Amino acid sequence: DAGITQSPRHKVTETGTPVTLRCHQTENHRYMYWYRQDPGHGLRLIHYSYGVKDTDKGEVSDGYSVSRSKTEDFLLTLESATSSQTSVYFCAISELGGVQETQYFGPGTRLLVL
Amino acid sequence: KQEVTQIPAALSVPEGENLVLNCSFTDSAIYNLQWFRQDPGKGLTSLLLIQSSQREQTSGRLNASLDKSSGRSTLYIAASQPGDSATYLCAVTNFGNEKLTFGTGTRLTIIP
Repeated sequence: DAGITQSPRHKVTETGTPVTLRCHQTENHRYMYWYRQDPGHGLRLIHYSYGVKDTDKGEVSDGYSVSRSKTEDFLLTLESATSSQTSVYFCAISELGGVQETQYFGPGTRLLVL
Repeated sequence: KQEVTQIPAALSVPEGENLVLNCSFTDSAIYNLQWFRQDPGKGLTSLLLIQSSQREQTSGRLNASLDKSSGRSTLYIAASQPGDSATYLCAVTNFGNEKLTFGTGTRLTIIP
């Protein structure tokens, strides 16, 4: 299994509070991704990174920000959590990007916003 | 905008049967198509990746085919086992943005 950990694994928070989720990899892969998974929608890309300090938006980036100050860590911040951000969040990594190889996924973080 | 559809959403079959899972996509301009497996409460595990120039890929009891012109892929599972019970998702990598677009998955249950 690819060395990807996510923390926390479960979190309950209140509307309006900031939340930061962490993805940590030990594979030294260049690309890192944040997805959310919701019933009826599949997985949707929030943000991704193609190197340290290099990030870009995905399909559902509103209300989220990211940072990558080290190769191994990719942080996802919900600036002011809303109930619509209740979801399961997955981090993924790849070395070459989506054209040539697959992505490896972390175990997920289950977030409940009350 | 690429759309990926997987029908049915759920499928139950007796152990030992061969089965086919379906995936369709609306835009044939793809780099590749992948099949993933997701166990309850877990992340995704890549099963097979088919490049757009390929017709199929095989791994053990799994065989995935790709018909890009018709926008379809199938995942064939031979001699199904209870351990195959999981949700199977397909995803395509699109030309132009190199991002994955996922289907919503088929939840497969193998009945012992």
